[in-house]
Amino acid sequence: DTAVSQTPKYLVTQMGNDKSIKCEQNLGHDTMYWYKQDSKKFLKIMFSYNNKELIINETVPNRFSPKSPDKAHLNLHINSLELGDSAVYFCASSQPGPYTEAFFGQGTRLTVV
Amino acid sequence: EDKVVQSPLSLVVHEGDTVTLNCSYEVTNFRSLLWYKQEKKAPTFLFMLTSSGIEKKSGRLSSILDKKELFSILNITATQTGDSAVYLCAVEVLSGDKLIFGTGTRLQVFP
Repeated sequence: DTAVSQTPKYLVTQMGNDKSIKCEQNLGHDTMYWYKQDSKKFLKIMFSYNNKELIINETVPNRFSPKSPDKAHLNLHINSLELGDSAVYFCASSQPGPYTEAFFGQGTRLTVV
Repeated sequence: EDKVVQSPLSLVVHEGDTVTLNCSYEVTNFRSLLWYKQEKKAPTFLFMLTSSGIEKKSGRLSSILDKKELFSILNITATQTGDSAVYLCAVEVLSGDKLIFGTGTRLQVFP
């Protein structure tokens, strides 16, 4: 009964490849997010979707493309992977509006070699 | 640019000690401040603070917000080894319903 689940947990791939990370939440939340956590543990928002609509796109390279087939899913597709894309990517969800905490998935550790 | 700064970056203590973690922020359109605990994997929610001067408490953890001075503290009393984690402070801003995170404080509690 995991609330926010991401797959895969680990991903090792070569530069130039295209990869996807999937995220699903069963909390009934309308808003979903992707965050990137770098090696220094700094978490930065990448995208936010509310009910399948893109709300936030934080100056992320257009090699990153989120896709939300329905409000319970927000997948992240990355084209032409670069070394600097290596990080832990967290999916999160929350109810829209103020004063609501975000619930995080367990993270996907992406290593680009 | 919106900014959240945590200090110290790292803290090493012995079991039983009391620790205070700091979070200061400079953001436009502040909505709330949240504390998360991150062990090996996902950040887990601890507190949400919206009003100045009202302490939130959960067991040995407590937190308070000062909206005039733009900071919050997280206190942990009688620390235990299970408190070892990275503690993340995040500020919720009105523009876009997003969280802006600080760099975290890594707490290590030794027996």
